[in-house]
Amino acid sequence: DVKVTQSSRYLVKRTGEKVFLECVQDMDHENMFWYRQDPGLGLRLIYFSYDVKMKEKGDIPEGYSVSREKKERFSLILESASTNQTSMYLCASSWGRGAVADTQYFGPGTRLTVL
Amino acid sequence: AQSVAQPEDQVNVAEGNPLTVKCTYSVSGNPYLFWYVQYPNRGLQFLLKYITGDNLVKGSYGFEAEFNKSQTSFHLKKPSALVSDSALYFCAVRDLKGNTPLVFGKGTRLSVIA
Repeated sequence: DVKVTQSSRYLVKRTGEKVFLECVQDMDHENMFWYRQDPGLGLRLIYFSYDVKMKEKGDIPEGYSVSREKKERFSLILESASTNQTSMYLCASSWGRGAVADTQYFGPGTRLTVL
Repeated sequence: AQSVAQPEDQVNVAEGNPLTVKCTYSVSGNPYLFWYVQYPNRGLQFLLKYITGDNLVKGSYGFEAEFNKSQTSFHLKKPSALVSDSALYFCAVRDLKGNTPLVFGKGTRLSVIA
């Protein structure tokens, strides 16, 4: 079974703090993704990565950055957290690239509250 | 550009009745379609996918989905709903050509009433 783990289930931070969300997958997947989930808005893609040290912007990258130094780990960074970044953050991974990119497998999510 | 629409925010169904959760999509080429389910405070779980072949796809927990190219739809169905099917359901699509990631719908909350 594919396993995608996220470093925290719940996180509370203060405005202006730097926040790191970690995601690790154990299936040697090439692709990794970060989404945020908000009621009524569904899942919105923040950043994704098709390979180590590669990153591409998704639909809502503003206020976020990412790091992928190792294939199995993909980190989401909030440089200066703001209250409008309070959300559920979901990490996912998948095998393959381009047209053969396959099913995404999701972690359990991190519910981040910024006060 | 690719997009997906789930026209119903909420679907209510009685236990034992058939259920349908609707999804329509738009891609420039051929679609690669998915359904995922999310239980409270959990990540998304894969239910089923369509890439090619038989238009009726069977997935986990007794769910199935029917691909209809002319109507650009991929509705999720189950013949007999269970209370435990109550969850949030997401449809997703990507174009088979190119290197674009999945696009997700906004989700449909299914409530199965005993």
